Amino acid sequence: DSGVTQTPKHLITATGQRVTLRCSPRSGDLSVYWYQQSLDQGLQFLIQYYNGEERAKGNILERFSAQQFPDLHSELNLSSLELGDSALYFCASSGAGGGYGYTFGSGTRLTVV
Amino acid sequence: TQLLEQSPQFLSIQEGENLTVYCNSSSVFSSLQWYRQEPGEGPVLLVTVVTGGEVKKLKRLTFQFGDARKDSSLHITAAQPGDTGLYLCAGAGSNTGKLIFGQGTTLQVKP
Repeated sequence: DSGVTQTPKHLITATGQRVTLRCSPRSGDLSVYWYQQSLDQGLQFLIQYYNGEERAKGNILERFSAQQFPDLHSELNLSSLELGDSALYFCASSGAGGGYGYTFGSGTRLTVV
Repeated sequence: TQLLEQSPQFLSIQEGENLTVYCNSSSVFSSLQWYRQEPGEGPVLLVTVVTGGEVKKLKRLTFQFGDARKDSSLHITAAQPGDTGLYLCAGAGSNTGKLIFGQGTTLQVKP
C-alpha cells in the first residue's frame, strides 16, 4: 500500500457518459497530481492541486475537470466520454515540492465502450 | 515545451547481463527521478538526483545525472528476472512540482 488510494480500480462505461475518479493522497501530502497513461502517449500530466488550489494545468481536455476538497482528497470528473478516453488514470501526491518524488496510487482503468 | 526522450524503448536480455537506459532532454531540470512500474500498478519511485554529475547506487542499480542536468542514465548490473518492468524517468523543471515523464523503457529479463 503506497498510501495513495484511488477508487474505483476499474470502470467500464459507455460513450457520452460522465464518471468521477477519486483520490486520497498520502497522509501529510498537500499536492495532488492527475496523470493519464495510454500505450501510445505514455504518462501525460493533466492537472495539479496544492492545498485546495489549482497549481498547474497540462493538456487537460475541457470535458475533464478536477477539484481538491478541504480534506485534501481529489476528484477527477470526465464527461461526454469518447472511446479515446480509455486509459489508466493515476493520481499521485507529494509534499510541497514534487521535485523530490511522487507517491502514486494504483490507478483507475477506464474503458469506454 | 520540455520533453524527455528515453532509449531504448524495449530491451530484452538474459539474466546476468548488464544494461543501460538513457534519458535525454534539451531542457535543464532541477531534479530528475527514476520510477519502476509493474503491470496494473502505479509507478514506484526508485531514486531522485538533484546535483549535476551526481551518482547514486541502489544495490545493482546505478543512476547518474548529467553535469548540465539535461540527461540521466540508469545502469543495471547482472540483471535478474525480478528487474523486469517499465522504467520511467521524470524531470522536475518548474517550481510547481509538476513532473514531465519520458515514454519509458520496457525491460524484460529472461531466466
